[in-house]
Amino acid sequence: DQQVKQNSPSLSVQEGRISILNCDYTNSMFDYFLWYKKYPAEGPTFLISISSIKDKNEDGRFTVFLNKSAKHLSLHIVPSQPGDSAVYFCAASHGLGGATNKLIFGTGTLLAVQP
Amino acid sequence: NAGVTQTPKFRVLKTGQSMTLLCAQDMNHEYMYWYRQDPGMGLRLIHYSVGEGTTAKGEVPDGYNVSRLKKQNFLLGLESAAPSQTSVYFCASSYSGRKYFGPGTRLLVL
Repeated sequence: DQQVKQNSPSLSVQEGRISILNCDYTNSMFDYFLWYKKYPAEGPTFLISISSIKDKNEDGRFTVFLNKSAKHLSLHIVPSQPGDSAVYFCAASHGLGGATNKLIFGTGTLLAVQP
Repeated sequence: NAGVTQTPKFRVLKTGQSMTLLCAQDMNHEYMYWYRQDPGMGLRLIHYSVGEGTTAKGEVPDGYNVSRLKKQNFLLGLESAAPSQTSVYFCASSYSGRKYFGPGTRLLVL
């Protein structure tokens, strides 16, 4: 039972264009969502997060949108750069902080930004 | 400040052999975690620790044991390795909900 789903295993985008990565979740108790970025042979690194009390959070070229009624969130990267090429994991949790903040991860989307 | 480090980076085991994966963090974080990443599965929590001397089971704990004798170290043990434990293992530590991951240990069990 995959509670967090990333239905697109891969995405290819031209440099300078917008990248949109999607994530769906099934557990309505989730109230905190994160995106992690992972390069080959490295651990995931935190990118951006959003609480369920918001519907948008922006950090430079990265924006996360949350649609609670649809249980859907998306990560927008604009403009996309070749250095953005990586695997992006969506993650969700019930509650912020604490050791019992057990993140549930999606399966990841491989983004390739073509020069 | 090295962050989270993992030893070894890569290991090949035969079925039935044992080994210990070491995770170390220098950020003075209370919470530490072990995850495994498998193709098509995302990252799944194996065990975690809320502080020195404490451990707890995660989502997929069977076949693994852990110890947190020192705050900065979190050890993951495989007593009798099985091919199903072939995976990439990530350690993480956290403060205020944000997790910091190590570079991973790639384990192949033949």
